Amino acid sequence: AQSVTQPDIHITVSEGASLELRCNYSYGATPYLFWYVQSPGQGLQLLLKYFSGDTLVQGIKGFEAEFKRSQSSFNLRKPSVHWSDAAEYFCAVGVLAAGNKLTFGGGTRVLVKP
Amino acid sequence: DTEVTQTPKHLVMGMTNKKSLKCEQHMGHRAMYWYKQKAKKPPELMFVYSYEKLSINESVPSRFSPECPNSSLLNLHLHALQPEDSALYLCASSPSVQETQYFGPGTRLLVL
Repeated sequence: AQSVTQPDIHITVSEGASLELRCNYSYGATPYLFWYVQSPGQGLQLLLKYFSGDTLVQGIKGFEAEFKRSQSSFNLRKPSVHWSDAAEYFCAVGVLAAGNKLTFGGGTRVLVKP
Repeated sequence: DTEVTQTPKHLVMGMTNKKSLKCEQHMGHRAMYWYKQKAKKPPELMFVYSYEKLSINESVPSRFSPECPNSSLLNLHLHALQPEDSALYLCASSPSVQETQYFGPGTRLLVL
């Protein structure tokens, strides 16, 4: 069965600094990978996705992620964080053979210092 | 219209009540999903509908009863819930089951 690990439960970053969130997955075939962001009490917003092709994926709000098959990773990055980026970030792997079941990592809460 | 809407935003119910959650999308998507999210946890899949037919039930207790009356609407009927069922219930849709899921804002449910 597939699984997703986000090693960092909390990350605190200063506004204007760079951000990297780690995601490792376990899946027997090529995965479909996603990053979602959730503000407190809200639903999930899709930041970006990887299905195939270029391993560096650009998303909304200035985020990007890189798929590294050799490391089973799909890390999310942003060069300069804004206070509005404070939220919970979830990495997910999609298993299309199982009806597009999404398995989520545990999430990383990002706090932004002024 | 490019969003998934959910009503109500908040719901408080007793353990003997019957209530329903509603999810609607007008993007022409043919797959719809229910997720349950407990506090400080990731979402967990409950049900998947594809072309208005239930395709996945993740062993959810029968006190949760999904319904897909048409391609735009997804309901979750609730009956005899337990306090541990209190959570954020998220609906999502995708063009088909092989494509990206888009989430609604959720219904926050409290069972007393």
